[in-house]
Amino acid sequence: GIQVEQSPPDLILQEGANSTLRCNFSDSVNNLQWFHQNPWGQLINLFYIPSGTKQNGRLSATTVATERYSLLYISSSQTTDSGVYFCAAASSGSARQLTFGSGTQLTVLP
Amino acid sequence: EPEVTQTPSHQVTQMGQEVILRCVPISNHLYFYWYRQILGQKVEFLVSFYNNEISEKSEIFDDQFSVERPDGSNFTLKIRSTKLEDSAMYFCASSIGKTQYFGPGTRLLVL
Repeated sequence: GIQVEQSPPDLILQEGANSTLRCNFSDSVNNLQWFHQNPWGQLINLFYIPSGTKQNGRLSATTVATERYSLLYISSSQTTDSGVYFCAAASSGSARQLTFGSGTQLTVLP
Repeated sequence: EPEVTQTPSHQVTQMGQEVILRCVPISNHLYFYWYRQILGQKVEFLVSFYNNEISEKSEIFDDQFSVERPDGSNFTLKIRSTKLEDSAMYFCASSIGKTQYFGPGTRLLVL
């Protein structure tokens, strides 16, 4: 099946800093989603982005499907951005089965 | 905004007991899923369900697991005889297109 790798595994930032999280995937995809897992364990949908670029406030994401990677940008980070960010992808042959990466643990310090 | 809901939020059970985890997907969604996350690990796919039948399942989803849509709103995951290693957060998700929306999860602890 598809492999999904995320980097870095851990990231510590000062409030106000910008960051880039990366997701590499091993196969062509027709679904790629970014999630934020908050301290209560909830998975919050950030983006559905199998290709192209999207922006939502301080967050934006870009997926370059031909090169099999996606990037999540967080600008002007806030302490509430802390948590684990997951990338999840479904390959073109298995459209409904999301495979998650190991996540990036983000800590934003005040 | 409509949400996926799950009950209970926490469940503690004894090894060997049966548990049923409940989910109410978003009302106009057609595809339903269960995932699990063992503490500190990745989220793992268990099963997808469409048109009243399983459409995909992972190797984790063995004979001790079953899913059902008993009525027009609920979607359940049954674990027949729980094991210690079934302790995890179980997430239900639903979709109408490809974007999957996740519920808040049920934290299951098997003693």
